[in-house]
Amino acid sequence: QVQLVQSGTEVKKPGASVRVSCKASGYSFSDNDIHWLRQAPGQGPECVGWSHSDSGTMNYARKFEGRVTVTRDMFTNTAYMEFTGLTSDDTAVYYCARVRGKAVIRGVVYDSWGQGTLVIVSS
Amino acid sequence: DIQMTQSPSSLSASVGDRVTITCRTSQRISRYLNWYQQKPGQAPRVLVSAASTLESGVPSRFSGRGSETDFTLTISSLQPEDFATYYCQQSFISPWTFGQGTRVEI
Repeated sequence: QVQLVQSGTEVKKPGASVRVSCKASGYSFSDNDIHWLRQAPGQGPECVGWSHSDSGTMNYARKFEGRVTVTRDMFTNTAYMEFTGLTSDDTAVYYCARVRGKAVIRGVVYDSWGQGTLVIVSS
Repeated sequence: DIQMTQSPSSLSASVGDRVTITCRTSQRISRYLNWYQQKPGQAPRVLVSAASTLESGVPSRFSGRGSETDFTLTISSLQPEDFATYYCQQSFISPWTFGQGTRVEI
């Protein structure tokens, strides 16, 4: 079955960076896009960044541009998200999610999710 | 970015009740609207895609309707396992945005 397994909880100081990993199994990694989302306490998820499985093109939500980098390692079937310049507002659960299909621009459906990685930013 | 407005933000209901959640978008999105269910400590799970297509394994008591800017998710007869938070998500254009959630509680 499809599984996305993320790295563990991170505690960071303001100004630091964090890297979260997401290892995929149970399907062909190149057949689906992977998106990164985050969810602050009591709020809905929001899209952070995404990469297309075929071209490797990376895109970011405008509010995070310049602070986040998403990458994929096609040999280890692992996706990564790096977030820099952390502030307390970045405290959230970060998820990787598989998109149904590849190079999807319209009709994005998140059909499998990682278990989430809690990132706490505190001095 | 497309703004998503869900109502109500929370509701109290009993087992067997019919429950309807509304999602309104700030732009017309045809039928590019998905619904997710999230339980505490878990990731969201997709219930309905393309406004009204029930995902595999989702009970038939869930149904979705709507188009363009107004959408609904209905649970025809609430079951104990349905107490959760529900989110709508537009899949029309990036960034793909979510509503703020509707918490369904006893």
